Amino acid sequence: DAKTTQPTSMDCAEGRAANLPCNHSTISGNEYVYWYRQIHSQGPQYIIHGLKNNETNEMASLIITEDRKSSTLILPHATLRDTAVYYCIVRVRGNNNAGNMLTFGGGTRLMVKP
Amino acid sequence: GAVVSQHPSRVICKSGTSVKIECRSLDFQATTMFWYRQFPKQSLMLMATSNEGSKATYEQGVEKDKFLINHASLTLSTLTVTSAHPEDSSFYICSARAPNTGYGYTFGSGTRLTVV
Repeated sequence: DAKTTQPTSMDCAEGRAANLPCNHSTISGNEYVYWYRQIHSQGPQYIIHGLKNNETNEMASLIITEDRKSSTLILPHATLRDTAVYYCIVRVRGNNNAGNMLTFGGGTRLMVKP
Repeated sequence: GAVVSQHPSRVICKSGTSVKIECRSLDFQATTMFWYRQFPKQSLMLMATSNEGSKATYEQGVEKDKFLINHASLTLSTLTVTSAHPEDSSFYICSARAPNTGYGYTFGSGTRLTVV
């Protein structure tokens, strides 16, 4: 799986958009970009994923650059409950190899402030 | 759908005793489950891959005799920390591949183990 680079920490004001960047310059053509987050003392939670096109769901938007070497997760109106560590992971989707697992990097610690 | 239930959520045990952590897939069958360990302010580190009906695969540096994994059914994997020491105190998280969801993996809520 391609390596990702994320800032260690970010702050965001409550109600504003939180934009979390991720660099994945060695991503392969068949690798997807996944975002998970981990609220303190909980298991990781899936947010969104994409391959080439920008994606949006009820939680967030994912913007992937045209060369796919970087992406940005956008939380449009951050709340205090969005304070968490956000992980960007790139891997092949639907790989049926039962041994494949998610590899977590350091992630970005997002602090949403009142 | 694709919910993984993990119990207990937190446990305190004495040094030298054993602790069992359960991970259940509630609404799907999981032939493979993954066990992670997370120390404070660090990321998740994979410990082992649990395979239903066969032996678990352990990551380098993880003692298989200390961290016993049993995956006897398609919905249950257990991790037993044997002869626990204070340095085993950590946050343990299980995960399973979530079928038919598109997003790949679902995680348990984690178990906070404190060895005193």
